[in-house]
Amino acid sequence: GENVEQHPSTLSVQEGDSAVIKCTYSDSASNYFPWYKQELGKRPQLIIDIRSNVGEKKDQRIAVTLNKTAKHFSLHITETQPEDSAVYFCAARHDQTGANNLFFGTGTRLTVIP
Amino acid sequence: DAGVTQSPTHLIKTRGQQVTLRCSPKSGHDTVSWYQQALGQGPQFIFQYYEEEERQRGNFPDRFSGHQFPNYSSELNVNALLLGDSALYLCASSLAVNEQFFGPGTRLTVL
Repeated sequence: GENVEQHPSTLSVQEGDSAVIKCTYSDSASNYFPWYKQELGKRPQLIIDIRSNVGEKKDQRIAVTLNKTAKHFSLHITETQPEDSAVYFCAARHDQTGANNLFFGTGTRLTVIP
Repeated sequence: DAGVTQSPTHLIKTRGQQVTLRCSPKSGHDTVSWYQQALGQGPQFIFQYYEEEERQRGNFPDRFSGHQFPNYSSELNVNALLLGDSALYLCASSLAVNEQFFGPGTRLTVL
């Protein structure tokens, strides 16, 4: 099955700086890569996603890049704010008929220092 | 629209007991997936239900079973609880294979 690895496990940045979280996946058939933000005691929430036919996607301060050849994708947060502090999870999925389960990375705890 | 709801919020059981967790999907969604999230880890896929059938299953033992009802709500049952079953259990719903929306989870503690 799919194996998703995520780095770093913890990340501290000064407010206003950028943060980058990287993930690799093992199954070349995976074609959908979402990123979730999970605040303490709350549910994971989708913040951005990318499909394998696109190399980059941006939504305001958040961007995701995908390198299919190397099988890795990254989350970029610019101009970080204290409210960005949370655990971020990457995930991968193969959009085959009949299933849409996600394989998650182990998470990155991001702390934005005011 | 209440979104995905789960009950109970917290649960404490002892080893060997059985537990049932419940999930109501977001309005209009027909597919329910269950995930186990151990402390400090990412969610791990348990199984997925669609049209009252288990459509796909992750690497979990048969002690983990589920059910989906005609109204698309779902239950997760765990028998013969082990200490290692302590985790946050997340339910996610979707319309077919589209984006999954997560519920708030049930925190299960096994003593």
